[in-house]
Amino acid sequence: DIVLTQAPLSVSVTPGESASISCRSSKSLLSSKGITSLYWYLQKPGKSPQLLIYRMSNLASGVPDRFSGSGSETDFTLKISKVETEDVGVYYCAQFLEYPWTFGGGTKLELK
Amino acid sequence: QVQLKESGPGLVQPSQTLSLTCTVSGLSLTSNSVSWIRQPPGKGLEWMGVIWSNGGTDYNSAIKSRLSISRDTSKSQVFLKMNSLQTEDTAMYFCASYLFGYGPFAYWGQGTLVTVSS
Repeated sequence: DIVLTQAPLSVSVTPGESASISCRSSKSLLSSKGITSLYWYLQKPGKSPQLLIYRMSNLASGVPDRFSGSGSETDFTLKISKVETEDVGVYYCAQFLEYPWTFGGGTKLELK
Repeated sequence: QVQLKESGPGLVQPSQTLSLTCTVSGLSLTSNSVSWIRQPPGKGLEWMGVIWSNGGTDYNSAIKSRLSISRDTSKSQVFLKMNSLQTEDTAMYFCASYLFGYGPFAYWGQGTLVTVSS
């Protein structure tokens, strides 16, 4: 199975400042079609997850542009610039390159 | 507007079979896949399996022997059945749908909590 390791486990951010979350894959997520199959989700407290970033760096519809995704074949970063109160929750990366589809362990973002 | 809604028993006894329904509106099951994902209390997400637009299925090998996913396209419903439930199967169960370009989990239901207890 492809293992996704997220860091840090939690991050505390002052509103208006930036935050970065890392996701490292045990295997390259670059497909033979040239697509990097790494996605980011946010699960707000008491809610179901919502898609933020697809294919490593593409912003999902309706997601504020203060969110951005970047990376290589195995190392990925979600950056949130100018964190707002509504950004609180647990962030997960996920891969859909191989079965079983897997998630990272999650990173909890809190406000200072 | 795409909506998914999970429904099920809430409480299941150990060793029994879990049956859940995901009712989908706003998209066609013959054009979009639907997955089941679960989340034990306070823990992370686990993909369970997917039913594709052509009706084919794929399962997480960790639970494949206990799991079955099917659908009724006329009712726009997807079903999950999992047997031999144990306490560690206690979790929030979500269904999620595919959207072209956005991946397999573009839309999510609200989830339904299943507790395995006698």
